[in-house]
Amino acid sequence: DAGITQSPRYKITETGRQVTLMCHQTWSHSYMFWYRQDLGHGLRLIYYSAAADITDKGEVPDGYVVSRSKTENFPLTLESATRSQTSVYFCASSGIGHLNTEAFFGQGTRLTVV
Amino acid sequence: AQSVTQLDSQVPVFEEAPVELRCNYSSSVSVYLFWYVQYPNQGLQLLLKYLSGSTLVKGINGFEAEFNKSQTSFHLRKPSVHISDTAEYFCAVSDRNRGSTLGRLYFGRGTQLTVWP
Repeated sequence: DAGITQSPRYKITETGRQVTLMCHQTWSHSYMFWYRQDLGHGLRLIYYSAAADITDKGEVPDGYVVSRSKTENFPLTLESATRSQTSVYFCASSGIGHLNTEAFFGQGTRLTVV
Repeated sequence: AQSVTQLDSQVPVFEEAPVELRCNYSSSVSVYLFWYVQYPNQGLQLLLKYLSGSTLVKGINGFEAEFNKSQTSFHLRKPSVHISDTAEYFCAVSDRNRGSTLGRLYFGRGTQLTVWP
């Protein structure tokens, strides 16, 4: 199916475990983003990527790692999960150029760290 | 970096009443402006966007927004709301980047619109 998909939709993990959230888009968009959504904070940017093998930190990158070996995939890894990383995570993508002026969002992954 | 302020965290209204959700942003440089809507347990869906041209922008579901450069505002309005409009609404701003049309998005904290029968 065309679009942007995140997996899993729901995840419960224990403190200290490593967990990876997956994001896949089928549009060959250059830009991809990871946001976390917390009550009272709106959406905050964790990391973004302008192209394969190019990534950069956002507002709240600590405790997270990203990679982008292929244009269509942008996984987000929590190296050692903490309770403060309990959140809803959204992946987004956007193209470049004059006709690409919208970011498309996945359905989100609800992560609970216990 | 941009800063986006949504002045109301919650807006309760009755069905068929008009509504305005307020948004102000910090920078006076050229920007793109967006309103997104999020229904429960779903991702964000674009309502409307301002890129250039007319300051009044019309979006989906009867929503519109007006860009006011001097006041750095981009308020969202609907003349008559429905119960189905109950959702969270996010204002977002993006700087115009050289070489691409959309940079990173800066979001406000969101406004929960609740429409009562």
